[in-house]
Amino acid sequence: QKEVEQNSGPLSVPEGAIASLNCTYSDRVSQSFFWYRQYSGKSPELIMSIYSNGDKEDGRFTAQLNKASQYVSLLIRDSQPSDSATYLCAVRRYNNNDMRFGAGTRLTVKP
Amino acid sequence: GVTQSPTHLIKTRGQQVTLRCSSQSGHNTVSWYQQALGQGPQFIFQYYREEENGRGNFPPRFSGLQFPNDSSELNVNALELDDSALYLCASSLAPPGPGSGANVLTFGAGSRLTVL
Repeated sequence: QKEVEQNSGPLSVPEGAIASLNCTYSDRVSQSFFWYRQYSGKSPELIMSIYSNGDKEDGRFTAQLNKASQYVSLLIRDSQPSDSATYLCAVRRYNNNDMRFGAGTRLTVKP
Repeated sequence: GVTQSPTHLIKTRGQQVTLRCSSQSGHNTVSWYQQALGQGPQFIFQYYREEENGRGNFPPRFSGLQFPNDSSELNVNALELDDSALYLCASSLAPPGPGSGANVLTFGAGSRLTVL
């Protein structure tokens, strides 16, 4: 079992729709969770971080965390073509030097 | 931000390569990641105060340095075809320790290495 698993996609949604990206993790002591966006040929850039169970909203983005189910998700409302990218889920333990990434979900938003 | 050099390079199997990274101003911790095509980044190692303080599942031919100005190098000896990847440097502000898992990483643009 991979430490961080994501649906590889590709996920395609029409412009204006809600895109839902999911991630599960295997290490129960994981404490910090991150979503990064990576455009083709570019480096990952942070979209959201979440540390507590529940929802965290930032503009069109909402991260959801359920530690009991070892599940974290990212919702993108009013999806735009510029949101087309690969979304990487990453997790870290409380006192840990490395961040574990999933393989990423490729999202395409069609005009 | 975080700057890396070179942006692209081509080497042949068995050669050695050095990749360089300048951390974001004020950041004192640097990490290196390897990202193969279609995969997520894989942790190689992390440096704080010029010492390695965490390492992923990479062989000893992957080594690094951190300098007093918090810049860093990644060295790879005896290159293999599977070393072809995007190498990402990431810096963060707080040192390793309690709560360090919450540290946010800022990534550089990466160095694309092709091994022929």
